[in-house]
Formats: sequence, C-alpha cells, structure tokens
Amino acid sequence: TQLLEQSPQFLSIQEGENLTVYCNSSSVFSSLQWYRQEPGEGPVLLVTVVTGGEVKKLKRLTFQFGDARKDSSLHITAAQPGDTGLYLCAGAYNYGQNFVFGPGTRLSVLP
Amino acid sequence: DSGVTQTPKHLITATGQRVTLRCSPRSGDLSVYWYQQSLDQGLQFLIHYYNGEERAKGNILERFSAQQFPDLHSELNLSSLELGDSALYFCASSVSFRAGIQYFGAGTRLSVL
Repeated sequence: TQLLEQSPQFLSIQEGENLTVYCNSSSVFSSLQWYRQEPGEGPVLLVTVVTGGEVKKLKRLTFQFGDARKDSSLHITAAQPGDTGLYLCAGAYNYGQNFVFGPGTRLSVLP
Repeated sequence: DSGVTQTPKHLITATGQRVTLRCSPRSGDLSVYWYQQSLDQGLQFLIHYYNGEERAKGNILERFSAQQFPDLHSELNLSSLELGDSALYFCASSVSFRAGIQYFGAGTRLSVL
C-alpha cells in the first residue's frame, strides 16, 4: 500500500519568512504533484514533477523531486498571507492510474 | 474555475438512503477520478475511469459504485448511507492519466443525518 507522509502538519509563520514542507514515502512514484486547497474548495494543482532529481521553480515556490522518486519538498521564499492554505502532495503510481494523497501541511502566514 | 463541474454542491440525506453525485470533466479530458475528503481521513482516492472504462480502484466501499458515460460525464452512486459517509466528494479530470495532472471540481458536500 502506497502511503505519503507530510511534515510539518501545521506551520504558522510571519510574512517575509522562508519555509520548507516535506513529502515522504517508502514507495516509488511515477510522478508527484503539489496542490493547494482553500477551505470548502477543490485542490488546485501547483506543479507536477516526473524525473528524479527534478527541480521546478514557480515564482517564489521551488519544488524538488527526490533522486529515487520517493520524496519531494516545497520551498516558499518570502511567504505572503496569500500563501495561506492546505498544501497537499500526491503520488501517482500504476502508470498514473492510481493516486495517493498525503495528509497535508496547513500553512498560516501572518501579516 | 477549473472547468470541472460537480452537482449538486450540497446534499443532505438520511441514513440508509441512496444518492448520486454527478461530475462533468473539462472539455477533452478522458479521465475522471473520484475522491472522498473527511476531516479524519484526508483525501482518499476512490476510483478512476478512462474513456468509459474503469482503470483503478482505491479505497472504495462496496456500497459505492461509479460509471462514466459515453459523453464522458461520470456519476458516483452511494447507497445504504451511514453517518460516516458524510464528507466532501471531489471529482478530478485529466486529458491523459500518464501525465499525472488532475484538475479538481469544487466538490459535493454530503451530510448524512
């Protein structure tokens, strides 16, 4: 059974600080996605990483896929209140036909 | 707006009843995925359909079933409802499941009383 763990579970920081959240598993995934979810809404895709060791940058967000395709990290530089939300990682396996989501990191950025 | 439409937005029903949730994928997307999200379980993958065929099953109960129609919309049927089935139900769609990219709808909030 594929499982994803995320850490930390909760994170509260001041505006302007940097942060990193982690997504870990003992399983190998064909790809890994990061989503952000606001209360009462569906998750919104931020990025998909496919190749081991891949690094993708999206403005102030940097995503990394581990070399062994078992883990990933999301780094946010100079966090803003608009970054507040639930960050979910999801791993695709079985040629992308199955997905497993991590429990999420709830981020609060205080002005 | 993701382009994925789910109806209804809210559903209130009683234990033992049966309900149907509907999902219209983005135009051109062939894959539809269903998820259940509750406070204590997080987002749980239920089932995946691709172009009308079931492709993968996750943690879907036997009381739940789904199908994808020729026009690619999908329905999730929940029967013999229990209090614990109260949750947000999301569907997501993608052009090709191999890309690992999913676009989520706004969800249906099911309350079983």
